[in-house]
Amino acid sequence: EPEVTQTPSHQVTQMGQEVILRCVPISNHLYFYWYRQILGQKVEFLVSFYNNEISEKSEIFDDQFSVERPDGSNFTLKIRSTKLEDSAMYFCASSEWGTTEAFFGQGTRLTVV
Amino acid sequence: QQQVKQSPQSLIVQKGGISIINCAYENTAFDYFPWYQQFPGKGPALLIAIRPDVSEKKEGRFTISFNKSAKQFSLHIMDSQPGDSATYFCAASSRGGGADGLTFGKGTHLIIQP
Repeated sequence: EPEVTQTPSHQVTQMGQEVILRCVPISNHLYFYWYRQILGQKVEFLVSFYNNEISEKSEIFDDQFSVERPDGSNFTLKIRSTKLEDSAMYFCASSEWGTTEAFFGQGTRLTVV
Repeated sequence: QQQVKQSPQSLIVQKGGISIINCAYENTAFDYFPWYQQFPGKGPALLIAIRPDVSEKKEGRFTISFNKSAKQFSLHIMDSQPGDSATYFCAASSRGGGADGLTFGKGTHLIIQP
């Protein structure tokens, strides 16, 4: 069964450093998303991406964040100058169309120290 | 107004019983209400979803009940099994489907006792 894969599974970084979280969406999917879940809290929408541009973003997704689809298979989330409060589980998701079922990856746990 | 309030925070049900999780929302623009199931170490997985033009949707042992006037919706798990033990999230969006701009509840940790 096709699945969304995320790497790495766990990333530890020092405050102020840049991190890139990587995702390989399901191959025929056109819509891509990033969500995050701070430990013990709810899942929060960050951004959606379609046709090589951001289609929607939340208040959380400020200038510190950026997304990119550098080639035909990867979808990345870059966090510049990480802060302690960026520590969370980051989930990538993809869907075939904007209104069809989205499939989530297993997540990348980001720990900022 | 963007919040989705979910209760209870945790729930213990005996095997074979009915598990009920409730959610309430304020934003009348929401038009898509999915429930996600999450096992430890995994991402959320879509379980069942409903749109406001129907009051109930059933898929196997899982049923969503939707009350548009009260702005509430709930998940019922019939004949609950130990394998149903997981965290359940309700969510809502005004995008008609998919995962664009979903607002999640805080989750319910469900334990089914054998």
